[in-house]
Amino acid sequence: AQSVTQLDSHVSVSEGTPVLLRCNYSSSYSPSLFWYVQHPNKGLQLLLKYTSAATLVKGINGFEAEFKKSETSFHLTKPSAHMSDAAEYFCVVPFSGGYNKLIFGAGTRLAVHP
Amino acid sequence: GAGVSQSPSNKVTEKGKDVELRCDPISGHTALYWYRQSLGQGLEFLIYFQGNSAPDKSGLPSDRFSAERTGGSVSTLTIQRTQQEDSAVYLCASSFGGGIGKGANVLTFGAGSRLTVL
Repeated sequence: AQSVTQLDSHVSVSEGTPVLLRCNYSSSYSPSLFWYVQHPNKGLQLLLKYTSAATLVKGINGFEAEFKKSETSFHLTKPSAHMSDAAEYFCVVPFSGGYNKLIFGAGTRLAVHP
Repeated sequence: GAGVSQSPSNKVTEKGKDVELRCDPISGHTALYWYRQSLGQGLEFLIYFQGNSAPDKSGLPSDRFSAERTGGSVSTLTIQRTQQEDSAVYLCASSFGGGIGKGANVLTFGAGSRLTVL
């Protein structure tokens, strides 16, 4: 069965420094993988999506993620954090049961300090 | 509509009362999903609709929870005899199709309905 593990529940960075949010997946095949972001009191928004076309995926707001099959990882990165990046980030894998049901990681809360 | 609309945005109720939460998906989206986001529990899948039928209700926590969808559009999630542990944000999402895999359609989420049971 598919699952994702987000290795950090909280990450704190200074504005202008790099961001790394870690995600490992478990799957018997090469799955689709997503990162969603949730800003306070707002709905979940798709940040980026991996579908095997390219292992390095670029998303919105300068975020990108690299699919590494050998490490079963899909870490989210950004070279320079902005205050507006403060939010909760979810690594997500679709359920393999034949339809688009999403399995969410526990989430990583990103704090950005001036 | 332009996005997934949920109402009410906030609901405070007393233990034992019934509540209805409404979701208006993006026009033309055939698939609709309900999730629950609780403190310390992350996001839990509740139910999936394809058109008006619900092939997967496996996430509904108890028989106090039910959902329906009419006209392939609006969906209502009903919680009967609410309990304090039902307090959470209930999120609705829709997608153009229900397919998975490399061509999986992206889910668009609503802003959620925050339920507080006193």
